[in-house]
Amino acid sequence: QVQLQESGPGLVKPSETLSLTCSVSAFSISSGYYWGWIRQPPGKGLEWIGSIYHSGSTNYNPSLKSRVTISVDTFKNHFSLMLTSVTAADTAVYYCARLERQVPYWGQGTLVTVSS
Amino acid sequence: EIVMTQSPATLSVSPGERATLSCRASQSVSSNLAWYQQRPGQAPRLLIYGASTRATGIPARFSGSGSGTEFTLTISSLQSEDFAVYYCHQYNDWPGTLTFGGGTKVEI
Repeated sequence: QVQLQESGPGLVKPSETLSLTCSVSAFSISSGYYWGWIRQPPGKGLEWIGSIYHSGSTNYNPSLKSRVTISVDTFKNHFSLMLTSVTAADTAVYYCARLERQVPYWGQGTLVTVSS
Repeated sequence: EIVMTQSPATLSVSPGERATLSCRASQSVSSNLAWYQQRPGQAPRLLIYGASTRATGIPARFSGSGSGTEFTLTISSLQSEDFAVYYCHQYNDWPGTLTFGGGTKVEI
């Protein structure tokens, strides 16, 4: 069964760039599917950030599009998130996921706090 | 952007009772709707997709219905492990914009 694991800094300073990586195991990203990022501020609901196909085609949440880049490395079998110019409002648990329209596979999530 | 509205925000029920959760879309999403369960400290778990198809391993007490703009998740007899937050999710614009509802907390 496919497994996903997020990694990256748990603390980012305001105005800097948040960078996370999702390592995928038991499935080759190059085999297909969309892969994406979803976040959840503490005590709040879920927000889709964006998705990427194994070919590199991307879709982003319009509200974050100007600050988000999602990339994929099929050789390393991982995909990454970059979110620029972060503020306290970007503090959240960030989940990576495999998307099949619905989302059957999720990482465990990683908390990223934006604070000086 | 399609807005998903869930009601009620909190549902207080007793074990063994039936729970009915609602999700409304601001415009039709056909049957392109999923439901998730999230327990504290855990990632969401897919329960239902295609509005009414149970995901692998999901007990039969969970059922989904609806199409267009009105959807319902029913838990026929609540078990202790079912007390959690439930989210609906539309993917009608797939692979474009995906949106989630604000969630319904099912509590004792």
